[in-house]
Amino acid sequence: DAMVIQNPRYQVTQFGKPVTLSCSQTLNHNVMYWYQQKSSQAPKLLFHYYDKDFNNEADTPDNFQSRRPNTSFCFLDIRSPGLGDAAMYLCATSRDRDMAYEQYFGPGTRLTVT
Amino acid sequence: GDSVTQMEGPVTLSEEAFLTINCTYTATGYPSLFWYVQYPGEGLQLLLKATKADDKGSNKGFEATYRKETTSFHLEKGSVQVSDSAVYFCALSDRGSGNTPLVFGKGTRLSVIA
Repeated sequence: DAMVIQNPRYQVTQFGKPVTLSCSQTLNHNVMYWYQQKSSQAPKLLFHYYDKDFNNEADTPDNFQSRRPNTSFCFLDIRSPGLGDAAMYLCATSRDRDMAYEQYFGPGTRLTVT
Repeated sequence: GDSVTQMEGPVTLSEEAFLTINCTYTATGYPSLFWYVQYPGEGLQLLLKATKADDKGSNKGFEATYRKETTSFHLEKGSVQVSDSAVYFCALSDRGSGNTPLVFGKGTRLSVIA
């Protein structure tokens, strides 16, 4: 089945230790998104790629970076995680930017910072 | 800016009860409207959508009608089941704002008891 896959499902990192979260998709969608979702809150968009075009949200901290080496994969890098970065990180895709095409979400990676 | 306001939760209902979750929005353009559902431990799934005024989205017994005059997109279900227990997010995408990604409400947690 075509899908959005996130690895790992659970990630524990130490304060200040860089961590990378992975997302892959078999939908061949042009757009990939990374969201941060804290407990009992709405998902907050960090950035998105339209093909290779990177679009950062204005309030996304510099501590968060992303890479998209090809259509299928997208990575979220947190350079120096703080305790406040503990959250669920959701990857999503859409066929195109026109949001009449719905977004397809992965199951998320829950990040714990110790 | 664009925003979505949905009713505060949690909402607790008995099985077979009628469900309404209110959602209103503000947008500068002409948005598409969505309801997403998040089951425990999982990512978000698109439940239903509507792309123009008076459209009714429906899926799995849930319905919502795009009301431009009241800027609303309330979610309803005639008879809820225990398996409907989840967090429900109302969202919009405003094409008038130029490829704006999804803007989510804060979510409403629904618990259905047998």
